Amino acid sequence: DAGITQSPRHKVTETGTPVTLRCHQTENHRYMYWYRQDPGHGLRLIHYSYGVKDTDKGEVSDGYSVSRSKTEDFLLTLESATSSQTSVYFCAISESSGAEQYFGPGTRLTVT
Amino acid sequence: DAKTTQPPSMDCAEGRAANLPCNHSTISGNEYVYWYRQIHSQGPQYIIHGLKNNETNEMASLIITEDRKSSTLILPHATLRDTAVYYCIVRVGGAGAQKLVFGQGTRLTINP
Repeated sequence: DAGITQSPRHKVTETGTPVTLRCHQTENHRYMYWYRQDPGHGLRLIHYSYGVKDTDKGEVSDGYSVSRSKTEDFLLTLESATSSQTSVYFCAISESSGAEQYFGPGTRLTVT
Repeated sequence: DAKTTQPPSMDCAEGRAANLPCNHSTISGNEYVYWYRQIHSQGPQYIIHGLKNNETNEMASLIITEDRKSSTLILPHATLRDTAVYYCIVRVGGAGAQKLVFGQGTRLTINP
């Protein structure tokens, strides 16, 4: 399995609080991605990174920000969590933009 | 990216070959066929991909028709651990191909 970890694995937080999810890889892959998975919507891309300090928006980026200060870490921040952001969040990595993506174990976030 | 059509569910007996079909009639010449699966509550797992030739790896075989409008993923000797949702995805390769678009997939159940 690709060396991808996500932390925390589970989190419950209140509406309006900031939340940061971390994705860590040991594969030295250039590309990293954040997806969310919700019933009836499948996986949807939030943000992705194509290098240190290089990020771009996906299809559902509103309410989320990301940062990548090191190759191995990609952070997803919810500045002010809302109940609509309750979801399972998956991080993925790939060597290049068109290559296969490898996914982490996921973080289950509940916003009450 | 081209749209794909998969049956919502399939059953297969343990030890038999599982053949999962996918239609992608609008596929373009530069689009690859990717297969992923997601075992309950885990991150999606890359299985295999191909452009126009049949492909085989340690997990599965991918058969793409000559006109490339459909493909079949074959799990040669299915086990109970192969029970999962299988996603067929069509996407361009190379630069600019960031996101994976997951449809509803096929829920494959392997029966003892």
